[in-house]
Amino acid sequence: DTAVSQTPKYLVTQMGNDKSIKCEQNLGHDTMYWYKQDSKKFLKIMFSYNNKELIINETVPNRFSPKSPDKAHLNLHINSLELGDSAVYFCASSQDWIWKGRNSPLHFGNGTRLTVT
Amino acid sequence: QKEVEQNSGPLSVPEGAIASLNCTYSDRGSQSFFWYRQYSGKSPELIMFIYSNGDKEDGRFTAQLNKASQYVSLLIRDSQPSDSATYLCAVRGSQGNLIFGKGTKLSVKP
Repeated sequence: DTAVSQTPKYLVTQMGNDKSIKCEQNLGHDTMYWYKQDSKKFLKIMFSYNNKELIINETVPNRFSPKSPDKAHLNLHINSLELGDSAVYFCASSQDWIWKGRNSPLHFGNGTRLTVT
Repeated sequence: QKEVEQNSGPLSVPEGAIASLNCTYSDRGSQSFFWYRQYSGKSPELIMFIYSNGDKEDGRFTAQLNKASQYVSLLIRDSQPSDSATYLCAVRGSQGNLIFGKGTKLSVKP
């Protein structure tokens, strides 16, 4: 199936641990994103990559480090996890970047629910 | 700070009624606007996009855009209980990402 897939779906871990979330898209899209959705359901951009190049790096603690080995993959590594990192993390992708097309929607993965205890 | 504002609701409508969801945005230069639906525990799914002033219809859904007023809306005709979800308005930012509102929770009562 063509899709944005991310693993794991659920991640429960203790404070101080390091964890990774993987994301892959087989839609042939140029740009990939990581969004964080907090307990109030607010979706906020964290990072975006266009063809393996970092485009957006919002005010995110440097404990969060994205890695894009190729344009179909964007992984998220989190060091020294804190309670406040508990959220749902969504990977997404889109076909075009800013000047190529105005209408490119984002296609979301199913999310990774991270719980830090 | 570019923002997208939505009434968080909940908005409750009876089955068969028209649900009207509203959104305003702060960046006058925004060009593309999107409505996503998110069921509880699921990922956002695209319902519609619009980039020209006026109305755009797709089945029971109509998106309306007024750039002068910096206002986007989504109308759902003949609302069904299965439409009960959180509706997210999103505006394309200058760096290509989507800036989301906080969502409006819609409840359609049978």
